[in-house]
Amino acid sequence: GAVVSQHPSRVICKSGTSVKIECRSLDFQATTMFWYRQFPKKSLMLMATSNEGSKATYEQGVEKDKFLINHASLTLSTLTVTSAHPEDSSFYICSARDPTRGDTDTQYFGPGTRLTVL
Amino acid sequence: DAKTTQPNSMESNEEEPVHLPCNHSTISGTDYIHWYRQLPSQGPEYVIHGLTSNVNNRMASLAIAEDRKSSTLILHRATLRDAAVYYCILRAGGLRAGNMLTFGGGTRLMVKP
Repeated sequence: GAVVSQHPSRVICKSGTSVKIECRSLDFQATTMFWYRQFPKKSLMLMATSNEGSKATYEQGVEKDKFLINHASLTLSTLTVTSAHPEDSSFYICSARDPTRGDTDTQYFGPGTRLTVL
Repeated sequence: DAKTTQPNSMESNEEEPVHLPCNHSTISGTDYIHWYRQLPSQGPEYVIHGLTSNVNNRMASLAIAEDRKSSTLILHRATLRDAAVYYCILRAGGLRAGNMLTFGGGTRLMVKP
């Protein structure tokens, strides 16, 4: 089946530093990947849509200069949280579609990255 | 995207069937009904989806009302590993098709041994 990985699974950083999170599709090529954020006891909120070879599309209220997204290849998208602050502490989850499966856009999710900013 | 309404939480006994309801009264004719679940501290996992007809797969069954204004996810025999938050999501098809999923609050299923 389609597998999506994320690295790291957990990261703790100091306030003001930048953190990069990787999302990889392991057994398929993904032209589109999605980045979500989830606060404790809350639902997932879409942050941005990452398109291979072009700029990401950000949801309203998400600062594109703070959450840098790069989708340089068909199997890798990265999310960089720049100048992280404690309020950025959250569970970050990526997902991807496998366009070859033809199953009406089922998305495959990564295991998530828990970011804690001290 | 059309909105879905789910109970905040439900309880079930292990090895009994579970029926998780979802209301989507504003569903359009081309919207697909998707179900995902999220186990604690993990990313969501696809469960099942359908358009008009009932669907079965190895994980669950999806019963869709004739008017499509509601659906029910059926776990035939709940196990402790089925304890998760279950999300019912409408995904636009046809000319309104987009790739993103909009998550609501979901139903937290608790399974008692």
